[in-house]
Amino acid sequence: EPEVTQTPSHQVTQMGQEVILRCVPISNHLYFYWYRQILGQKVEFLVSFYNNEISEKSEIFDDQFSVERPDGSNFTLKIRSTKLEDSAMYFCASSEMDTYEQYFGPGTRLTVT
Amino acid sequence: DQQVKQNSPSLSVQEGRISILNCDYTNSMFDYFLWYKKYPAEGPTFLISISSIKDKNEDGRFTVFLNKSAKHLSLHIVPSQPGDSAVYFCAASEGPGNTPLVFGKGTRLSVIA
Repeated sequence: EPEVTQTPSHQVTQMGQEVILRCVPISNHLYFYWYRQILGQKVEFLVSFYNNEISEKSEIFDDQFSVERPDGSNFTLKIRSTKLEDSAMYFCASSEMDTYEQYFGPGTRLTVT
Repeated sequence: DQQVKQNSPSLSVQEGRISILNCDYTNSMFDYFLWYKKYPAEGPTFLISISSIKDKNEDGRFTVFLNKSAKHLSLHIVPSQPGDSAVYFCAASEGPGNTPLVFGKGTRLSVIA
């Protein structure tokens, strides 16, 4: 069964450093998303992406964040200058056109020290 | 603001009995509801969904009920099995494709053998 994959599974970085989180969505899906879950809190939407541009973003997704689809398979989330409060699980998801169900990857645990 | 609420952080049920997980929402624009199951160190896994035009959807041991007038939905698991022990998230969407999911905080279900 096709699945969303994410790398790395765990990333430790120092405050102020740039990180890139990588995702490979399900191959025939057209919509891509990033969500995050701070420990003990709910899963929160960050950004959605379609046709090589951002469709929607939340208040969390400020100028420090960017997304890119550098090739036909990868979808990346970049945090330019990490802060302690960026420590969280980051989930990538994808969905088919005109469906509600989103399929999530296993997540990347980001730890900012 | 909590548009999707899961007021029970945890639930313990004996194996073979029924598990009932509840979810309330406030946004009248939500037209589709989904349940996700999450094991530790994994991403949310889609379980079952329901459109706002229906009041019940069944898939094997899992049934979701929607009471639109009360803005309430519930997930029933019958019979409960130890492998069902996980965190269950209720999520809602305002539209298909490219629309953010809004999650509740989750309910941790423990099925005791």
